[in-house]
Amino acid sequence: SQQGEEDPQALSIQEGENATMNCSYKTSINNLQWYRQNSGRGLVHLILIRSNEREKHSGRLRVTLDTSKKSSSLLITASRAADTASYFCATASYNQGGKLIFGQGTELSVKP
Amino acid sequence: EAGVTQFPSHSVIEKGQTVTLRCDPISGHDNLYWYRRVMGKEIKFLLHFVKESKQDESGMPNNRFLAERTGGTYSTLKVQPAELEDSGVYFCASSQDATSYNEQFFGPGTRLTVL
Repeated sequence: SQQGEEDPQALSIQEGENATMNCSYKTSINNLQWYRQNSGRGLVHLILIRSNEREKHSGRLRVTLDTSKKSSSLLITASRAADTASYFCATASYNQGGKLIFGQGTELSVKP
Repeated sequence: EAGVTQFPSHSVIEKGQTVTLRCDPISGHDNLYWYRRVMGKEIKFLLHFVKESKQDESGMPNNRFLAERTGGTYSTLKVQPAELEDSGVYFCASSQDATSYNEQFFGPGTRLTVL
């Protein structure tokens, strides 16, 4: 993989439960971003966390970043059926010239 | 403000045929990127334009793929001849500048099916 690993590869939960997805990366980064893709549709930008930040919140989303471990986590609280989608982390670095390096993604299924 | 648009949304072609995908970035965005997700795998970078110039084409898989951005506005990605393994979703993204802090805005993607 260009990026590293995302785990789990697939996650199935009930509505109302929390979902946690993890992402590891290999190189030094300037920021890490999380995206969502709903059933074959386009990528939706969820949240961006810079390398000097450790935690960021946006609505029901909470992202953490640990640069010493080269890892990030995305927590979705009080999940809804509409959260069912593929979730990807992507990193940006100075030596990447602006392009994003994506992880393999986590398939989240939220059952009503 | 209009977002990134891509055309067509879905294309089904026979192996050996030619397909051209189009991307219209957000107005004023000099940077345009192509990515693709093949067979449910990870999303991979293909290339990056700054205005009409190819800044980085290190992700282009082979010479069957040709990307252009004449005039620095919309971009096309042509696959000729298409092979079965080219099936997947092709995404286009644009950004105002290419610094690593800048968010990229993605289009809805073109789903390419090669039979």
